[in-house]
Amino acid sequence: SQELEQSPQSLIVQEGKNLTINCTSSKTLYGLYWYKQKYGEGLIFLMMLQKGGEEKSHEKITAKLDEKKQQSSLHITASQPSHAGTYLCGADIRGNKLVFGAGTILRVKS
Amino acid sequence: DADVTQTPRNRITKTGKRIMLECSQTKGHDRMYWYRQDPGLGLRLIYYSFDVKDINKGEISDGYSVSRQAQAKFSLSLESAIPNQTALYFCATSDNRGSNSYNSPLHFGNGTRLTVT
Repeated sequence: SQELEQSPQSLIVQEGKNLTINCTSSKTLYGLYWYKQKYGEGLIFLMMLQKGGEEKSHEKITAKLDEKKQQSSLHITASQPSHAGTYLCGADIRGNKLVFGAGTILRVKS
Repeated sequence: DADVTQTPRNRITKTGKRIMLECSQTKGHDRMYWYRQDPGLGLRLIYYSFDVKDINKGEISDGYSVSRQAQAKFSLSLESAIPNQTALYFCATSDNRGSNSYNSPLHFGNGTRLTVT
């Protein structure tokens, strides 16, 4: 079973549309990270969230941490083909080791 | 040049063979990790090392071994490869000096795609 559940598993959006990816933990979150992965390549660090209510943005990608709900959301505004890839959340929920969700595959149709 | 370099990028080997995947980093980080990625399962931790003298098993260490030759080098070995070890393997580093919590992100290499036939 996954300690970090991501939803949806995959989605296809039309270019220009907004979308949200969720990452939910079964345990308390001690920091959460979002990564992006192009097919078969390494993971690129996007953002790190450490405090409840914290929200960070990078270009058109915004991530927020809701500690009470043990959840983080990643929101992309006006999606572009360059946003396509797999988005993974990672979190320290066991103390001293980072675990990852299974990933959300995003396809953006032109 | 990449900060975290993995070699080889691709490897095909036969069941029963011993193979080694290598990782080197120029980031000066103390912590290094080996993960494998399988479709639908995400990343799973194999081994990790917080400094040269420290080696720890992750959640799926059976069938694997590691060596931390120096601060910058961390290699993963499969003593006798089997087909279900076919996966994408990632090395990562982090700089959490003096802290037990993850207050800095992991930096990943580009991965080694291993196929065991």
